[in-house]
Amino acid sequence: SQTIHQWPATLVQPVGSPLSLECTVEGTSNPNLYWYRQAAGRGLQLLFYSVGIGQISSEVPQNLSASRPQDRQFILSSKKLLLSDSGFYLCAWSDDHNNSPLHFGNGTRLTVT
Amino acid sequence: AQSVAQPEDQVNVAEGNPLTVKCTYSVSGNPYLFWYVQYPNRGLQFLLKYITGDNLVKGSYGFEAEFNKSQTSFHLKKPSALVSDSALYFCAALSYGNNRLAFGKGNQVVVIP
Repeated sequence: SQTIHQWPATLVQPVGSPLSLECTVEGTSNPNLYWYRQAAGRGLQLLFYSVGIGQISSEVPQNLSASRPQDRQFILSSKKLLLSDSGFYLCAWSDDHNNSPLHFGNGTRLTVT
Repeated sequence: AQSVAQPEDQVNVAEGNPLTVKCTYSVSGNPYLFWYVQYPNRGLQFLLKYITGDNLVKGSYGFEAEFNKSQTSFHLKKPSALVSDSALYFCAALSYGNNRLAFGKGNQVVVIP
């Protein structure tokens, strides 16, 4: 069966420090991969999605970047964190067909101090 | 553009009573529709989806949803709510050929013992 791993679960980082969040998927190949951010007000914002290795689409211009160095690995990064980067970050995957549901990881709670 | 509306911020229901969480959508063409549930500090879990066929879709944990094309709605229902159903519920939609789900803002469901 397919599983998705996301770590760390919580992270406290000072302003100006770098960020690297990792997400890996097991049990499937060539998944679509997604990074979402959920603010305290609960809404989900799509940050990046990828349909293949090295293929990244950015939805919102911001202080973050994403990379997909391997088929089932998706990394969210920042060179210098801002206070506004605080939030709950969710990685998700779906099969490569249009009506496949998203499957989410358990998220990373990031607090920038 | 795709959009999803969940008009109520919070739904309160007594345990054992029927539960309804409302959702309306706006997508071009035929929609693919999804419901997800989120428990505190966890990722979203897929509940059910409508792709085509029978308008009444049955999903996990006794939930079901009814697709109504004329009203562009996809309300989530459960005949008898449990305290453990207390969570945040998201409706989502996309159109054929689009990789990006449009999520509603979420509904907090509180089931009162």
